[in-house]
Amino acid sequence: EVQLVQSGAEVKKPGESLRISCKGSGYSFTTYWIGWVRQMPGKGLEWMGIIYPGDSDTRYSPSLQGQVTISADKSISTAYLQWSSLKASDTAMYYCARPGLVATLDYFDYWGQGTLVSVSS
Amino acid sequence: EIVMTQSPATLSVSPGERATLSCRASQSVSSNLAWYQQKPGQAPRLLIYGASTRATGIPARFSGSGSGTEFTLTISSLQSEDFAVYYCQQYNNWPHMYTFGQGTNLEIK
Repeated sequence: EVQLVQSGAEVKKPGESLRISCKGSGYSFTTYWIGWVRQMPGKGLEWMGIIYPGDSDTRYSPSLQGQVTISADKSISTAYLQWSSLKASDTAMYYCARPGLVATLDYFDYWGQGTLVSVSS
Repeated sequence: EIVMTQSPATLSVSPGERATLSCRASQSVSSNLAWYQQKPGQAPRLLIYGASTRATGIPARFSGSGSGTEFTLTISSLQSEDFAVYYCQQYNNWPHMYTFGQGTNLEIK
């Protein structure tokens, strides 16, 4: 069974750094892209970026590039979303999601449960 | 950048009736269009991909149609569990890759 299990909720202050994780299981982690999707409070879904763990090829939404870093550690089947300096506007639910087809940038067939990030002074 | 526009923003329908949700792309996305359902406190769930193919386990009352720039999600006979927010998403365009619509809130009338 394919599963994406995300790390727990985080409460941080502006300016702090943060890394959240998404662990894949039940499939070959290195042969599927994994993406990140943001959902700000009461708002819709926004694609942030995506990584191919097999070779770490990473693509970012042009509107978010430079604001976050996406990485993966294939030895532990885990993808990461990282901030070097959080802002209050980073407060959101973050989902990881996997496309349905191997090595294909495609619709998201599997989703993590979400990680809530709250940033407040 | 491809912009996805969903209409209406809110749709009020009675159980047992048909619901029709629309999604328009600012330029052609071919059939690279997916629909997702999201209930409060839950992650989105894939309903339709390739504009018209139901995902595994999705009931036959959900159907998708369209290509190019105009797409429709139809729920033929609404069940109580169908009231949720629905998003369309294109996955055709590089470098923007994926773009979601703003969502349609399907509520009980």
